[in-house]
Amino acid sequence: AQKVTQAQTEISVVEKEDVTLDCVYETRDTTYYLFWYKQPPSGELVFLIRRNSFDEQNEISGRYSWNFQKSTSSFNFTITASQVVDSAVYFCALSEAMWNDYKLSFGAGTTVTVRA
Amino acid sequence: SAVISQKPSRDICQRGTSLTIQCQVDSQVTMMFWYRQQPGQSLTLIATANQGSEATYESGFVIDKFPISRPNLTFSTLTVSNMSPEDSSIYLCSVDGDSTDTQYFGPGTRLTVL
Repeated sequence: AQKVTQAQTEISVVEKEDVTLDCVYETRDTTYYLFWYKQPPSGELVFLIRRNSFDEQNEISGRYSWNFQKSTSSFNFTITASQVVDSAVYFCALSEAMWNDYKLSFGAGTTVTVRA
Repeated sequence: SAVISQKPSRDICQRGTSLTIQCQVDSQVTMMFWYRQQPGQSLTLIATANQGSEATYESGFVIDKFPISRPNLTFSTLTVSNMSPEDSSIYLCSVDGDSTDTQYFGPGTRLTVL
């Protein structure tokens, strides 16, 4: 069963628009970690944020913000005032502590294209 | 976070040959991971490599096809054996770089098999 679902395949916006990426996860574990990674066209995977299951406080970091809601098993990511450099594939990922193996289950990714 | 390098960054290989990918970290890490990303797809974990023990492979991946070495706490290799065009992918290594259970990734190796 898919543990991480990113329903949006592609999003295209004009520069300065806000972009929200959806992520829904599934786990039976009570302790788990959620991540967002960015993969620009160059191919490297860049870590953006980590949240553990006990920390539902939403966070803002510059133009990035995250909304974690356990009640709906969602961990959404918003880019405010998007820029062309934000064009990339964004992956949501889940790590379950139950097995203590730190494996990451990735969503399918959402391709964000920001047009000038 | 740890600085991770991979060699080669890209390669074009003929079917039936093998390629060994190297992953080097600038600090000692307990766990290293190898992922495959097929064109236009997400990342799939191939195996977990711990120093001093055999690698643990995920379902669908076998040691004969993807042998892994982990000779010390800063280095690992992944070999893609008897390659076919279906092996054309980006191969990424990652490490648990700190105590926060966060994985940091290398720049990846783009492999094309003709």
